[in-house]
Amino acid sequence: NAGVTQTPKFQVLKTGQSMTLQCAQDMNHEYMSWYRQDPGMGLRLIHYSVGAGITDQGEVPNGYNVSRSTTEDFPLRLLSAAPSQTSVYFCASSLTTGFSGNTIYFGEGSWLTVV
Amino acid sequence: QKEVEQDPGPLSVPEGAIVSLNCTYSNSAFQYFMWYRQYSRKGPELLMYTYSSGNKEDGRFTAQVDKSSKYISLFIRDSQPSDSATYLCAMSRNRDDKIIFGKGTRLHILP
Repeated sequence: NAGVTQTPKFQVLKTGQSMTLQCAQDMNHEYMSWYRQDPGMGLRLIHYSVGAGITDQGEVPNGYNVSRSTTEDFPLRLLSAAPSQTSVYFCASSLTTGFSGNTIYFGEGSWLTVV
Repeated sequence: QKEVEQDPGPLSVPEGAIVSLNCTYSNSAFQYFMWYRQYSRKGPELLMYTYSSGNKEDGRFTAQVDKSSKYISLFIRDSQPSDSATYLCAMSRNRDDKIIFGKGTRLHILP
């Protein structure tokens, strides 16, 4: 049981390049989400999905795109990388959107630097 | 006013001390109160949670909720260097409502 797997762990991009952060979970969770974590800003929700084929915007969606073709996978795409997108990105999954005794499982994080 | 407020620290205390970490919130509809621990270069992990008001104890950790004051606390007794991490509070109204995270408090336990 691997939990939530994120790749890559580290990436350096040039301004304007595009890339995809991969996220996969093997717990059959319906709810998946992407956060970015910046110093002094905490975890900010980028996009989330309540099931295959359903995605929605979070707090800071601009510059990012997501899709959910399967229950297991929830990739995050940076369309045209900007230095402001330098951050640590976490993918998370859980049984439900909110909390009612279930745990949110986070991936190990992806450190992205845009130069 | 942000929904959840948490002092980012850092908070440095000597080994063996009692640590108190706190969050305030503005939405009285929150019912579930969680504490996540995040070690350096790792994802957050659920430490413990409380439903509604009251206390919950788990080993050296005690979570406390005061809904009348909209204030939650996490106490760590006999703190150890291995407790050094960032602690994030989080809250949720119910299973259908998104979880709101505090910004996290960085804690250093000095040997």
